Amino acid sequence: NAGVTQTPKFQVLKTGQSMTLQCAQDMNHNSMYWYRQDPGMGLRLIYYSASEGTTDKGEVPNGYNVSRLNKREFSLRLESAAPSQTSVYFCASRSGYNLVEAFFGQGTRLTVV
Amino acid sequence: TQLLEQSPQFLSIQEGENLTVYCNSSSVFSSLQWYRQEPGEGPVLLVTVVTGGEVKKLKRLTFQFGDARKDSSLHITAAQPGDTGLYLCAGSFSGNTGKLIFGQGTTLQVKP
Repeated sequence: NAGVTQTPKFQVLKTGQSMTLQCAQDMNHNSMYWYRQDPGMGLRLIYYSASEGTTDKGEVPNGYNVSRLNKREFSLRLESAAPSQTSVYFCASRSGYNLVEAFFGQGTRLTVV
Repeated sequence: TQLLEQSPQFLSIQEGENLTVYCNSSSVFSSLQWYRQEPGEGPVLLVTVVTGGEVKKLKRLTFQFGDARKDSSLHITAAQPGDTGLYLCAGSFSGNTGKLIFGQGTTLQVKP
């Protein structure tokens, strides 16, 4: 099983450029998440989608937009990249809510120069 | 300010020592999970605790959920170099919102 697949794995952007990070899961999960990971900060929730057709802001949504394209896919868009958005981005999914495991992709390492 | 505060952030110990990592919040969680993350990989679930006061054991790892469901601890007995990694606690809120937040993480290094 592929699980959670993120693309790309690495990306370098110039300040002001835009890009979309793609995430797809093949486990028929309802909930999907985007996190960013910075040294000493753990994982911070950017946006999440509790079910197909819904999206909600997390802890650090500014500068990002998301689209839950269908049950499988959840994309994260940076409209105008800033150096402060240099980070490792993780997508995750889980089948339900509170008791179940979240499965993570391999991460996207994004550098904004 | 993160809702889940982990301590310590860094821990370097010798093989065979015991250690405890703490995860604290002012919020009440319906469940709390502990994950472990290796470099270059996403986190992987270790355990989920649900009931206040609950204690779960996974080999040399003991997890406890506070009575008020606001805090949790991870205790490792006789740490081994293979325990080295980043340990993260994660909380889910009541009401089935789907929201899942993480603490800052504790980087553990166990030296042989």
